[in-house]
Amino acid sequence: DIQMTQSPSAMSASVGDRVTITCRASQGISNYLAWFQQKPGKVPKRLIYASSSLQSGVPSRFSGSGSGTEFTLTISSLQPEDFATYYCLQHNSYPWTFGQGTKVEIK
Amino acid sequence: QVQLVQSGAEVKKPGASVKVSCKASGYTFTSYYMHWVRQAPGQGLEWMGVINPSGGGTSYAQKFQGRVTMTRDTSTTTVYMELSSLRSEDTAVYYCAREPSAVFWGQGTLVTVSS
Repeated sequence: DIQMTQSPSAMSASVGDRVTITCRASQGISNYLAWFQQKPGKVPKRLIYASSSLQSGVPSRFSGSGSGTEFTLTISSLQPEDFATYYCLQHNSYPWTFGQGTKVEIK
Repeated sequence: QVQLVQSGAEVKKPGASVKVSCKASGYTFTSYYMHWVRQAPGQGLEWMGVINPSGGGTSYAQKFQGRVTMTRDTSTTTVYMELSSLRSEDTAVYYCAREPSAVFWGQGTLVTVSS
């Protein structure tokens, strides 16, 4: 199975900060990587697919990059509505595996 | 528009089984694989398995092998996930999620396992 190591597990940030979250795959997954945002009590929402493609309707302050084993989600200027938990997902092969999640909290 | 509508919350006793449904609409049902993901209270997302609505083929996470069964009914465009031999650790919200890469999700079904 492919392990996805996501870091950090939690972080405190202020509105306007640039935020970077990383996922490392235990083996190469090409660009079969998606990022999700989940708010408490809500359904996960896909933000990024194919490592760097922005989901329709998602603000352009979100971006993704990487290929192979190293991937990054960047929020260029954190907004109040961005405080949430973020997950990466590898869908290169079964079983699909998620990162452990990164909780972004208000500083 | 794509919609995935899941069945309602369930309360089960340890050792029982639960069957959760996910009715799909707004697209060609047989064109996209459907996955099941669960989330225990306060925990992360866990992939359980996938079903091909066209042929019915499945692939399950090793952790659930022997306890989970995913099926589909093409006449009603519904997929099902049945989990047996329930234990307290199976208390979670269960989601269906459609490919590609889980772009669409059901609203979730809370399954509570308690004696």
